[in-house]
Amino acid sequence: AQSVSQHNHHVILSEAASLELGCNYSYGGTVNLFWYVQYPGQHLQLLLKYFSGDPLVKGIKGFEAEFIKSKFSFNLRKPSVQWSDTAEYFCAVEPSGYSTLTFGKGTMLLVSP
Amino acid sequence: GAVVSQHPSWVICKSGTSVKIECRSLDFQATTMFWYRQFPKQSLMLMATSNEGSKATYEQGVEKDKFLINHASLTLSTLTVTSAHPEDSSFYICSAPHPSHGSYEQYFGPGTRLTVT
Repeated sequence: AQSVSQHNHHVILSEAASLELGCNYSYGGTVNLFWYVQYPGQHLQLLLKYFSGDPLVKGIKGFEAEFIKSKFSFNLRKPSVQWSDTAEYFCAVEPSGYSTLTFGKGTMLLVSP
Repeated sequence: GAVVSQHPSWVICKSGTSVKIECRSLDFQATTMFWYRQFPKQSLMLMATSNEGSKATYEQGVEKDKFLINHASLTLSTLTVTSAHPEDSSFYICSAPHPSHGSYEQYFGPGTRLTVT
């Protein structure tokens, strides 16, 4: 069975700082990769996804993530965070051809103004 | 984008009673829906896959007799927590896949907070 590991449970940054959230997965086959965000009191929303092609994917709100197959990683980045980015971020993996997502434990990002 | 709703958003019930949670896809049809459970400060854990017109598929360790799933139509799946106990208190979230640009994307409901007293 696949598993997902997110390196940081809590991250605190000041506005304009750069962000990188780590995500590693374990699965032997081809996977689809996702980052979801959950703002306080709101639904889970898709930030970005990787299915195939260019391993550097760009999502909404200036976020991007890079799939490094050799490292089984899909780290999320943003060059300059804003206070409104305060939220919980979840990395998720789905074996290609299936619909079941396996989530990491999430990283709570707090951006101070 | 596609919208998935859940009802109720929160519920408090007494130990031993049953609670039904609804998950609806509002503007698309979903032959498959997923039910997750999220404990405080933990990840979403997939409980079961709900299939329209057939039996749900439960993940290992999830009691199918306790968590009854019914996917009676292409827009509605229900999760009934039977004989609830305090340890069933949790945040229950559903999702449904929707076609998007040649593949699909999971859309999540807002979740239902269940508290069993």
